[in-house]
Amino acid sequence: QKEVEQNSGPLSVPEGAIASLNCTYSDRGSQSFFWYRQYSGKSPELIMSIYSNGDKEDGRFTAQLNKASQYVSLLIRDSQPSDSATYLCAVNAGNMLTFGGGTRLMVKP
Amino acid sequence: GAGVSQSPRYKVAKRGQDVALRCDPISGHVSLFWYQQALGQGPEFLTYFQNEAQLDKSGLPSDRFFAERPEGSVSTLKIQRTQQEDSAVYLCASSLNNYEQYFGPGTRLTVT
Repeated sequence: QKEVEQNSGPLSVPEGAIASLNCTYSDRGSQSFFWYRQYSGKSPELIMSIYSNGDKEDGRFTAQLNKASQYVSLLIRDSQPSDSATYLCAVNAGNMLTFGGGTRLMVKP
Repeated sequence: GAGVSQSPRYKVAKRGQDVALRCDPISGHVSLFWYQQALGQGPEFLTYFQNEAQLDKSGLPSDRFFAERPEGSVSTLKIQRTQQEDSAVYLCASSLNNYEQYFGPGTRLTVT
C-alpha cells in the first residue's frame, strides 16, 4: 500500500486559473512535507516545504497542511503554461522522503 | 552556487555488466541520498549517508546494489551484474539539514 497518494491526473486548467493539487499520506509520524515540480525528462525541483498546520505562501504558490486529516495541498494561482509539469508530493517521517506518484498538470493557453 | 552533479547522465549497459554512478553533492551538505525513479512513478528511496556513514540502506533492492561515500563528499552507486529491471533514472539528492533535499539531474540507466 502506497504511503503517499496523489491523483495522477492529468489536471487541466486554463491559463490564469487556480490549480489545486492534493496529497494524502498514511504515516501520522510524518513531520515535514514538500512539493517538487518535475518537468518531462528532468529531475525533481523543490518548490515548497511546509512543517506546521496551516498555509504557507511563496509567490504564486500556497502549500496547505492538515495533519489531523493527513492531507497536504498545493495551490498555484494565475497558472501559466510554464507551470505544466508533474507535481510530486513528498513526506519525511525520518530521513528519507516518501513520494507520491505525482499529478500531471496541464495549463492551457 | 553549484548544485548537485551526477555522471554519467546516460548509461547503456548490457545485461550482466557492472556500472558505477557518481554523485557530487552541494558543497557543505552532510546528507546524501540515492533514489530510483521508474517511468511515470515517483522516486523511491535507496540509501542514505550522513558524512561517510551509510545510515540506511533499506531501499537497496538486492545485494547487487552497493553505495559508498568514503570521504563524506562524492558518492558512488554501484550495480553489479545489471538486469533489465534495473533500467531507471537514478537520482542523487543532498541536504544540509535532513529536511530539504535538492536533487541532481539524474543518471538514466538502460540495460539491454
